[in-house]
Amino acid sequence: EADIYQTPRYLVIGTGKKITLECSQTMGHDKMYWYQQDPGMELHLIHYSYGVNSTEKGDLSSESTVSRIRTEHFPLTLESARPSHTSQYLCASSEYSKGELFFGEGSRLTVL
Amino acid sequence: KQEVTQIPAALSVPEGENLVLNCSFTDSAIYNLQWFRQDPGKGLTSLLLIQSSQREQTSGRLNASLDKSSGRSTLYIAASQPGDSATYLCALTEPTGTASKLTFGTGTRLQVTL
Repeated sequence: EADIYQTPRYLVIGTGKKITLECSQTMGHDKMYWYQQDPGMELHLIHYSYGVNSTEKGDLSSESTVSRIRTEHFPLTLESARPSHTSQYLCASSEYSKGELFFGEGSRLTVL
Repeated sequence: KQEVTQIPAALSVPEGENLVLNCSFTDSAIYNLQWFRQDPGKGLTSLLLIQSSQREQTSGRLNASLDKSSGRSTLYIAASQPGDSATYLCALTEPTGTASKLTFGTGTRLQVTL
């Protein structure tokens, strides 16, 4: 079983609020990822990291930002949330590039 | 551009049946292929990972095969149970690039009835 955790699992906030979605893994993986998934739709990579102080944008443009100050922690921040940000955000990690991916339970964000 | 298709999109079977889920991809130059299950509103659970040099992988009642030349992978589920009800996704990693940027299939929604 994968040891990767996301909080909060569910969040409902108003437009304009700043939010941070937390993701932590205890497997010592260098590679971490954020995916966005709308209900019933496919996953899209929005951010990834090869290790501490490394962050890259994914295939889908996102107004969110990420940071990687510690190996085990990869938070995602939205400075000013909008209804278009309503979605599920999934964090994942892998031991090495192109290795098996392990996902967290996801954070479902609703922006009113 | 790699395209990954899963057929059927939805499947309903009675408990106890053996079933096969299909995953097709357009570019055979892949690094590995991974099968996941996703329960409604939850994250993805990794089921099996097949490296490009492998033909199949087995875990309990699950068996995944890979045929790169024909651009196909199948997930075989033996003696299905109601707890197997979920959406099953295949995802593949391509050799180019350095990140595990997966291309996901469209998913098959499985329902196992009593």
